[in-house]
Order: sequence, then structure tokens, then C-alpha cells
Amino acid sequence: EDKVVQSPLSLVVHEGDTVTLNCSYEVTNFRSLLWYKQEKKAPTFLFMLTSSGIEKKSGRLSSILDKKELFSILNITATQTGDSAIYLCAALKLGAQKLVFGQGTRLTINP
Amino acid sequence: NAGVTQTPKFRILKIGQSMTLQCTQDMNHNYMYWYRQDPGMGLKLIYYSVGAGITDKGEVPNGYNVSRSTTEDFPLRLELAAPSQTSVYFCASSSWGGPLTDYEQYFGPGTRLTVT
Repeated sequence: EDKVVQSPLSLVVHEGDTVTLNCSYEVTNFRSLLWYKQEKKAPTFLFMLTSSGIEKKSGRLSSILDKKELFSILNITATQTGDSAIYLCAALKLGAQKLVFGQGTRLTINP
Repeated sequence: NAGVTQTPKFRILKIGQSMTLQCTQDMNHNYMYWYRQDPGMGLKLIYYSVGAGITDKGEVPNGYNVSRSTTEDFPLRLELAAPSQTSVYFCASSSWGGPLTDYEQYFGPGTRLTVT
């Protein structure tokens, strides 16, 4: 059975801290790992990682994939209150392009 | 270009009632998906479609039905609503640009359904 597990499930930090969110996966026909940010409504796309060891960056966010150990991390540096959200990772399967989601990490940034 | 739209935004159903959640996309995407998200959880795939006339079950299809008569529309039908179907429902669509391109599913705003 396909499985994506995120940790921690919940994290509370102070503004300016750096956080690391974890995502491990066991998925057949794996193609890529996606990260989404979910504030009040629909998830919004952050990154897609297909190759192992190549970091993707967008501003203060960065992410990397390890296909040997089957995990990915999402780093956020110099956190701001606007980073408070649920962060979802999802494994993309080949074929019908199905996503298998983890349960999410709820990140709270206190001023 | 509206992207993915869903109606209604909110709905309260009584046990045993039926309803259809509407989903429309204007991006000419082949792939469409229905997810449910329970409180504190990730998204679970209910049904998906790879093109007009083709649908298949996801992880949690029981109690739901879908159809895909056009590229744009992918309605989700609940026949006999049960309290276990209380959830937020998201529709999504995507296209496949090939192995060298980034892939993204575009999500609608969601429908919050309560069954009492």
C-alpha cells in the first residue's frame, strides 16, 4: 500500500526561526515529490522534485529529495507569520498522474 | 481564465439525502480528480479521470459516483449521505507536459459538506 508520512505533525516556532519539515514515502511507480502550502482554502503549489540531491529554492523556501532513502525535506529560513499554514507533501505516481498525500504539518509562526 | 471552480461552497445535508458537487475547469486539462480532506488530515483521492468518458476509483470511492461527459466538467455524486462523508471536498485538474516539465495539480476552492 502506498504511504506518505510527514513529521512533525505540528510545529510552533518564533518569527525568524528556521524550520525543517520532513516527508518520507513508500510509493510504487514513483515519479516525483511535490510540496504544497495550504492556508485557509485550497493547496497552492510550492515545489516539484524529481531528481535526487538537487535543491530547489524559492525565496526563503528550499527543498531537496533523497530517492535512495525515500524522503524529502522542506526548509524555511527567517520564518514570518505569513508562513503559518499546513504544509503538504505528495508523491506523484506514473501513469494517471495520481498524487498520494501525507497528513500534513501544521506550522504556526508566533511573532 | 477562472481555473478550477466548484459549487456549492458550503452545504448541509441530512442523512440519506443525495447531492452533486460540481467541478469545472477551463484550462483544457485531460486529468481531473476529486479529493476529500478530513480535519487534521491530508487529502485522500476519491475518483479520478484521465479524459472525457474515462473514470476510475481512487483510495476512498465508497459512497460516491462520478461521470466525465466533457473535458471541462467532473461532477461528484453522493447518493445516500452519511455522517462519515462530512468533509471538505476538493476538485483538481492537471495536464501532462512530458517527462522534462514540472507537473502541478490545480485545485478548486473546495466545498465544505456537513452531514447530520
